[in-house]
Parts: sequence; structure tokens; C-alpha cells
Amino acid sequence: QKEVEQDPGPLSVPEGAIVSLNCTYSNSAFQYFMWYRQYSRKGPELLMYTYSSGNKEDGRFTAQVDKSSKYISLFIRDSQPSDSATYLCAMSGGSNYQLIWGAGTKLIIKP
Amino acid sequence: DTGVSQDPRHKITKRGQNVTFRCDPISEHNRLYWYRQTLGQGPEFLTYFQNEAQLEKSRLLSDRFSAERPKGSFSTLEIQRTEQGDSAMYLCASSIQNPLIEKLFFGSGTQLSVL
Repeated sequence: QKEVEQDPGPLSVPEGAIVSLNCTYSNSAFQYFMWYRQYSRKGPELLMYTYSSGNKEDGRFTAQVDKSSKYISLFIRDSQPSDSATYLCAMSGGSNYQLIWGAGTKLIIKP
Repeated sequence: DTGVSQDPRHKITKRGQNVTFRCDPISEHNRLYWYRQTLGQGPEFLTYFQNEAQLEKSRLLSDRFSAERPKGSFSTLEIQRTEQGDSAMYLCASSIQNPLIEKLFFGSGTQLSVL
């Protein structure tokens, strides 16, 4: 079993919908949680990061961490075709100071 | 453009040949990482440098792979005697060392195809 699990998708939704992207993890020592967005043929870019549990909002994006369930989410409101990309979660903490990555979820926003 | 720069963007080579990739990080960043990514997977850590010192290599990394960062600025990744299984996107990232959370800035990668 992988330390970080992420549904590869693709997830296809109409423009304007609320999108929910999720990752589960097994290592309770993880404390730092990140979401990266990767467009085709580009490197990942950091979208949001959170420490420990709770929510963090940035514009149309909300990151949520539930450490008791070992579950993190990224919500995108008013989704746009330009949001179409692969979204990767990454996390670290405890003895894992290197980032542990999910496989990424491919998101398609249909105009 | 002051982002992370990688060269070349694409490389096609025959099995058994050696290849070298270059990464120019963001100038004020003291850490530099190399990752490998295959289709449908997240980045896989290969190695990282703090300034010119190579601090960690993945235990899964073959000895055919070597990386340098001679003056603490740009870095090169060399793969000797390439195999078809080496075909992947090779990503470079840089960051400023941070005891709490490290934000990685990635380049656009070098896509390697081994025939």
C-alpha cells in the first residue's frame, strides 16, 4: 500500500461547478500538506500548503486537512477551463522530511 | 524569466548511450532537487543538494545516475548506459531551506525517451 493514495481520475465537470479533490495517507506523522498543480508538459507549481489540521482559503481554492481521518481535500469553486490540469498532493513530517507525493488527479473542466 | 530553467526540454537517445541534463535554479535558492516522473505518477525523489553538497540520494537510484552542483549554482544530472526504463520526465526544483515548510519551484522538465 502506498503512503499517499490519490484517485487518478480523470475527473470531468462542467464549468462553474465546485470541484473536490482528495488524498488519503497512512503516516500519522505527516504534518505539512501541499497541493501542486501541473499543466501538461510542465513542472508542478505550488498551489496551497497547510500545516496540521484545519482549513486554508485562497481565492477560489480551499485546502482542508482532517488528521483524524488522514484525509486531505482541495476544493475549487467556480471552476474554469483554465483549471484543467493534474493536481498532486504532497506531504511531509516526522522522519519524512522529503515530500511524499500522490499520483495526481487529472481534472477536466468542460466549457 | 527568473524561474527554474532546464535544458534540453526533450532528449531522444539510443539504449546504452550517456545523457546529461542541466538545471539552472532560481538564483537565491540554496537547495536543488532532482525528481523523475512517469506518466500517471507523482514525482519520484532522486537526489538533492544544499549549496554544492549532495545531501541525499534515493536508495532506489541506480549507480548509473550521478549528479553534480559544482559551484552551488547550476546542476547536472548524468545517466550512463541508458536503458528503456529510464524513459521519463526529469524534473529539477529549487527552494530556500526552511525548517518548517519548503516550497519547491519546479522547472518544465527534460523529457527523456530511450529507444
